[in-house]
Parts: sequence; C-alpha cells; structure tokens
Amino acid sequence: EDQVTQSPEALRLQEGESSSLNCSYTVSGLRGLFWYRQDPGKGPEFLFTLYSAGEEKEKERLKATLTKKESFLHITAPKPEDSATYLCAVRGGGTSYGKLTFGQGTILTVHP
Amino acid sequence: GAVVSQHPSRVICKSGTSVKIECRSLDFQATTMFWYRQFPKKSLMLMATSNEGSKATYEQGVEKDKFLINHASLTLSTLTVTSAHPEDSSFYICSARESLLGALYGYTFGSGTRLTVV
Repeated sequence: EDQVTQSPEALRLQEGESSSLNCSYTVSGLRGLFWYRQDPGKGPEFLFTLYSAGEEKEKERLKATLTKKESFLHITAPKPEDSATYLCAVRGGGTSYGKLTFGQGTILTVHP
Repeated sequence: GAVVSQHPSRVICKSGTSVKIECRSLDFQATTMFWYRQFPKKSLMLMATSNEGSKATYEQGVEKDKFLINHASLTLSTLTVTSAHPEDSSFYICSARESLLGALYGYTFGSGTRLTVV
C-alpha cells in the first residue's frame, strides 16, 4: 500500500524567511509525485509533477526536488500570498486507473 | 491547461433527501474521474474512481448505495449522496486526468462542493 507522510503539519514563517516542506513516501513503482496548493474552501491547484530521483522543478518562489524516498518543496523568500495548505501525492505503479495517495498536508502561514 | 468544473459549490439539504454533485471536464475528455471527501483540516480521502461507461470502483469502507456515481460521458461524472444525514456533511472534490497533458499538468481538480445536511 502506498503511503505519504508530510512534515511539518504546520509552518509559520515571516515574510522573506525561506524554508522547506518535506514529503516522505513509500510506493510500489513510482509513476509520479505531485505537489498541490490548496486554499481554504477550494480544490487543490496543481504545482509540480516529479517522476524520477534527482529531478527538480521551479515555479516562481517554489522549487520541488525528488529523491528515492522523499520530496522537498523549497519556498524562497515567501510572501503572505503563499499562505495555503500544500499537499503531496504519489501515483504508484500498483494502482489501477492511476489513483493518487495524498499526504495530510502542511499548513503554511506567512506573516507580513 | 485542463479545467474541471464542479457544481454546486455549496448545498444545504434536509436530512433524508438526496443531493447530486456534477463534475465536468470543460476542455478535455476524461476517461477516468476521481471523487474525494475532505474533512476540516484533513487531507483528501479517495472515495471512488469513476470510469466512463462502466461501474465505479469504490474504496474500502465507502458505501456504494449511499454514494452513487455515474460517469455517463467522457466529460461528465456525477456523485449522488442518497438519504443524506448530518454525518455526510463534508467537502467533496472531484478530479480528472487529461490523457495527453496529464504528464505536464497532473490531475486537475474541481473547486469542491461544501455539503451541509441539516
């Protein structure tokens, strides 16, 4: 069974204070690791897909990296508008129809 | 990018009645759609996988007769909560994966439906 664990559960930063979110996973044949952002009362918004160890992707202040056991979402010089819940999910090779397994999320709060 | 539209965004219903939630892929065809349930400050829990033209695949512990899923076309899946009770109150979210752009954009999610049963 695929498993995803995210840490920390909550993270409070000052504006401009860089940090990282962790996503540890166990999966049978990784077919993709996904990062999403979710605002309160909204559906998840796609950020990145990573497929193989060593892969990195960037978008504005966010950078996602992947190893064989975990992924990091690095946030550089965050702004208050980056406050949201960040979700990590994996798609394993053993799952039918490509379903995703989600972690519990990290609630990020950036104070001005 | 791919867009998934979900309606209604909010619904309040009386206990014992049924509620239908629609999930549409607007600019792509989705052979498979997924339905999730999310409790406050919790992650997404997959309820079922919806396949066009066939029966949905439900996750363990999800009542098939309470949560009816129909995937009648390549752009529409519906979730009907039957004989709703207060414990069914939750945030329901659908998602779909565009077969060609899915590698770039992952799975696209709807905006969610807040169901309140009174």
